[in-house]
Amino acid sequence: EDQVTQSPEALRLQEGESSSLNCSYTVSGLRGLFWYRQDPGKGPEFLFTLYSAGEEKEKERLKATLTKKESFLHITAPKPEDSATYLCAVSGPSNTGKLIFGQGTTLQVKP
Amino acid sequence: GAGVSQSPSNKVTEKGKDVELRCDPISGHTALYWYRQSLGQGLEFLIYFQGNSAPDKSGLPSDRFSAERTGGSVSTLTIQRTQQEDSAVYLCASSLGPAYYEQYFGPGTRLTVT
Repeated sequence: EDQVTQSPEALRLQEGESSSLNCSYTVSGLRGLFWYRQDPGKGPEFLFTLYSAGEEKEKERLKATLTKKESFLHITAPKPEDSATYLCAVSGPSNTGKLIFGQGTTLQVKP
Repeated sequence: GAGVSQSPSNKVTEKGKDVELRCDPISGHTALYWYRQSLGQGLEFLIYFQGNSAPDKSGLPSDRFSAERTGGSVSTLTIQRTQQEDSAVYLCASSLGPAYYEQYFGPGTRLTVT
């Protein structure tokens, strides 16, 4: 069964303290791995798509990497405005592209 | 440009009533998805539309749930005879195509069944 597991569930950082969020997945035939950011009361906001092992993408303080079994979202020198829930999702072999989401990691960055 | 819009943003209904939720996708996006996000749960796929193809309804939790997409654009999710367990945030997303393309989400409709 296709599955996505994110860890930790919650993470508290001081401003400037770098860290990583983990997304482990099992899917038969990965078509894409997606990272989203979700603020309270809002819909998920697209961050990155990764397609193959070894791929990396960056955006401001965020960097996403992909291996055959997991993805990491690295946050460098975070700021309070980076506080949000980060969601990982995979698109498997289904032609529909329906996403299978993890439970998310809630990040709090304190000034 | 305009993103995905959903209406209403909030809906409170009594148990047993029917509700309709609306989604306007990004112009030019051929794929449209509905997901549900319950308290403490992850996002759960409900249904998928792509062009004129038959929709993928495999995620609908019961036959009380249905959806349609008119003219390849606007979509409506209908829940009949609502139950308290239907309370959740219903999210719509659209993309340029299936599988490899990122999906862009709307703000969601928060449904509360009393």
